Amino acid sequence: GENVEQHPSTLSVQEGDSAVIKCTYSDSASNYFPWYKQELGKRPQLIIDIRSNVGEKKDQRIAVTLNKTAKHFSLHITETQPEDSAVYFCAVATTTSGTYKYIFGTGTRLKVLA
Amino acid sequence: NAGVTQTPKFRILKIGQSMTLQCTQDMNHNYMYWYRQDPGMGLKLIYYSVGAGITDKGEVPNGYNVSRSTTEDFPLRLELAAPSQTSVYFCASSLKNTEAFFGQGTRLTVV
Repeated sequence: GENVEQHPSTLSVQEGDSAVIKCTYSDSASNYFPWYKQELGKRPQLIIDIRSNVGEKKDQRIAVTLNKTAKHFSLHITETQPEDSAVYFCAVATTTSGTYKYIFGTGTRLKVLA
Repeated sequence: NAGVTQTPKFRILKIGQSMTLQCTQDMNHNYMYWYRQDPGMGLKLIYYSVGAGITDKGEVPNGYNVSRSTTEDFPLRLELAAPSQTSVYFCASSLKNTEAFFGQGTRLTVV
């Protein structure tokens, strides 16, 4: 089945610096790659996503890049702010054997130091 | 639209008891999922469904059962609760290749 690896598990950056989180996946049939942010005690919420026909997508300070050949995608946050501190999850949506499921990475705890 | 609604928000069970976590969505989403999230950990897929009448096991299905009799509802059943099932449970729903919307979660403690 699909395996999603996420690195690093924790990341501390100074306010204003950039943060990069990387995910790799195993199933070449995967075709949708969202990123979620989860604040303490809250539900995960989508921050950006990318589909398999696109290599890069940007939304203000957040960008996602996808390399389907290498089966990896990355989240880039520029000009980090204290409110960016949270746990970030990548996810992969896979269609195999006529079914469809969403598998999450193990998460990255981002701390932005003021 | 209420989105995805989970009940209860909190529950304490004794070892060996059973319970059903309710999940309903009003967005007419085909796909629904149940995840568990242990403290400081990621989201593990328990069961998922691609439509009414169809369910499949995810990564950690042991000790759980689901049903999907309607598009809207996807209850998760715990039989013979064990301490290892202490976790936060999230239900989610989506269309294909689009955002998954999560319920607010159920914090379950088994003592």
